[in-house]
Amino acid sequence: GENVEQHPSTLSVQEGDSAVIKCTYSDSASNYFPWYKQELGKGPQLIIDIRSNVGEKKDQRIAVTLNKTAKHFSLHITETQPEDSAVYFCAARRAQKLVFGQGTRLTINP
Amino acid sequence: GAGVSQSPSNKVTEKGKDVELRCDPISGHTALYWYRQRLGQGLEFLIYFQGNSAPDKSGLPSDRFSAERTGESVSTLTIQRTQQEDSAVYLCASSLVGANTGELFFGEGSRLTVL
Repeated sequence: GENVEQHPSTLSVQEGDSAVIKCTYSDSASNYFPWYKQELGKGPQLIIDIRSNVGEKKDQRIAVTLNKTAKHFSLHITETQPEDSAVYFCAARRAQKLVFGQGTRLTINP
Repeated sequence: GAGVSQSPSNKVTEKGKDVELRCDPISGHTALYWYRQRLGQGLEFLIYFQGNSAPDKSGLPSDRFSAERTGESVSTLTIQRTQQEDSAVYLCASSLVGANTGELFFGEGSRLTVL
């Protein structure tokens, strides 16, 4: 089955700097790669996603890149703000099953 | 409400007791998922429903775990003879269509503590 590895597990950056989180997946048949943000005590919320026929997608300060050959994808957050502090999860989907990475706790230092 | 609703939000039980966790998905969402999240860990897939049927039960950890869905709406996750390792947050999510569409909408979870 699919296996998703995510790193780093924790990341601390200065406000205004960029943050990058990386994931690898094992199943070449996976075709959809979302990123979720989880704030304390809440359920995860989708922040951006990318499909396997696209290499890059951007939404304001957030971008995701996908390298199908290498089976890895990354989340990039620019001009980080305190409200970006949260746990971020990558995921990979094959058919109906969405498999998540272990999460990255991002802390933005003022 | 407009979102996914889960109950109870918190449940403390004694080892060996049975528990039931409930999920009310967003109205009209045909796909429903259960995930388990242990403290500080990622989301572990448990089971997926399309309508009232469960094409993928591969994530259920043992035969103590079962889930059902009725009326293409409410789902119940049942854990029998709870063990301490069952302590976790159980998250439910729903989606408009299971395959090849994007967003899962998550509830806030049911936190289970087994003493």
